[in-house]
Amino acid sequence: DAGVIQSPRHEVTEMGQEVTLRCKPISGHDYLFWYRQTMMRGLELLIYFNNNVPIDDSGMPEDRFSAKMPNASFSTLKIQPSEPRDSAVYFCASKSDRPQETQYFGPGTRLLVL
Amino acid sequence: GQNIDQPTEMTATEGAIVQINCTYQTSGFNGLFWYQQHAGEAPTFLSYNVLDGLEEKGRFSSFLSRSKGYSYLLLKELQMKDSASYLCAVGSGGSYIPTFGRGTSLIVHP
Repeated sequence: DAGVIQSPRHEVTEMGQEVTLRCKPISGHDYLFWYRQTMMRGLELLIYFNNNVPIDDSGMPEDRFSAKMPNASFSTLKIQPSEPRDSAVYFCASKSDRPQETQYFGPGTRLLVL
Repeated sequence: GQNIDQPTEMTATEGAIVQINCTYQTSGFNGLFWYQQHAGEAPTFLSYNVLDGLEEKGRFSSFLSRSKGYSYLLLKELQMKDSASYLCAVGSGGSYIPTFGRGTSLIVHP
């Protein structure tokens, strides 16, 4: 398997613009996670899906953030409008439904909002 | 909620042994993960403990004491490539979704 795939790998945008991050999980995994990582706050869980259904979005910072998973092989995280404080590395991860199984992380998207 | 605590930074010498501690407070504990994250890369899985005791995997070992809410990651025969951030993540409740600590940045010097 190619692992978790994320795109773009890098994104530079201006404040107020819409940003869309994309993720393809590992085939057969039932869970998909979106994380944000910064030096100040570490790795934060934003939202996760189980079988394409959003289960917990309590980590989503505010209404500017939204996430969708239209099918088992694709998810998006959208920020509209973007702000400089959204600058971070955004990771997507997926795992199977076995509790002891690890999450597999994608390479991340480095977002810089100017 | 959960509280996970690990040192921010540690330094060690190549060839030495280092122990990275993680303490946690949680209800419904169902496992503890350790991840390694090199600068600019994604976290990668190192170990999983759900029962008390030591799990050895090559140069890396992980220990868990559920009664004390304590775990450590032991790295032996340190190599320069072990310089990375080490993340402790605790699973709890029915969801088995781990919460991550802030990570410990390990610097290995010659």
